[in-house]
Amino acid sequence: EVKLVESGGDLVQPGRSLRLSCTPSGFTFGDYALSWVRQAPGKGLEWVGFIRRNGPGFGGTTEYAASLKGRFTISRDDSRSIAYLQINSLKTEDTAVYYCTRSRTYYPGSNSYYDDYWGQGTLVTVSS
Amino acid sequence: DIQMTQSPSSLSASVGDRVTITCRASQAISNYLNWYQQKPGKAPGLLIYGTVSLQSGVPSRFSGSGSGTDYSLTISGVQPEDFATYFCQQTYSSSWTFGQGTKLEIK
Repeated sequence: EVKLVESGGDLVQPGRSLRLSCTPSGFTFGDYALSWVRQAPGKGLEWVGFIRRNGPGFGGTTEYAASLKGRFTISRDDSRSIAYLQINSLKTEDTAVYYCTRSRTYYPGSNSYYDDYWGQGTLVTVSS
Repeated sequence: DIQMTQSPSSLSASVGDRVTITCRASQAISNYLNWYQQKPGKAPGLLIYGTVSLQSGVPSRFSGSGSGTDYSLTISGVQPEDFATYFCQQTYSSSWTFGQGTKLEIK
C-alpha cells in the first residue's frame, strides 16, 4: 500500500524557520518525484514545488511556485527514503496544511506529472 | 505562471444529475490537465490525469475532456459520495498551478 506521512508541523512565530518531513512507504522512493502542496484554512490548493527523482535526465532538480521562490527549499534523501520542505522567514500567511504528494510522469521520458498519492497533511500555524 | 480559472465556483445538484465543471487556462497546456476531488477534512485524491485518463479505482461516471486552453470534468449521474470540492491542476509548465476549486453541493 502506498502511503505518505508528513510530520513537523507546529505553531511557530513569524520570522522563524521550520522543516517538514515526508516519509513515504509502499513504493521505491527513488523512482518518483515528490511535491508539496499547501492549503490555507478554508482556501483552495496552492502548489509549493517539487523535486524530480535523481538519475540521468532528472537530476533531482527542483521547481517552485514563483510567488514562493526564495523561502522554500525542497530536498530528498534517497538513502533514507525521506523528503523535506524547509520554510524560512515564516509569515502568518504561511499558515496552512502542507501535503506531500507522489508525482508521476504521464509516460516514461515525459517532463509533466500528476500527483497520484497524497499524504494526510501536517498543519503549520504561524502566529506570535 | 499559468492561471487556471474554474467555473462555477459552486454548484448545486441532485442525485442522478449530470454536472460539468470547466477549467480555463491562461495559455494552451497541451492536455497536461489533472482533476482532484477533496472531501471536508481529507486530503485531495486524484480523479483524472492527462485530461481524459481515469485514475485506477475511480468510477466511470467521471470523465474528462478538453484541449488547448479549455477543459472539463463531467459527472454522469451524481452520487451522494460525489458531493465534494473539485480542483483542476496544470502541469504543462515547470510551475504548476491549481484552479480555485468548485464546490459541488446537494440541491
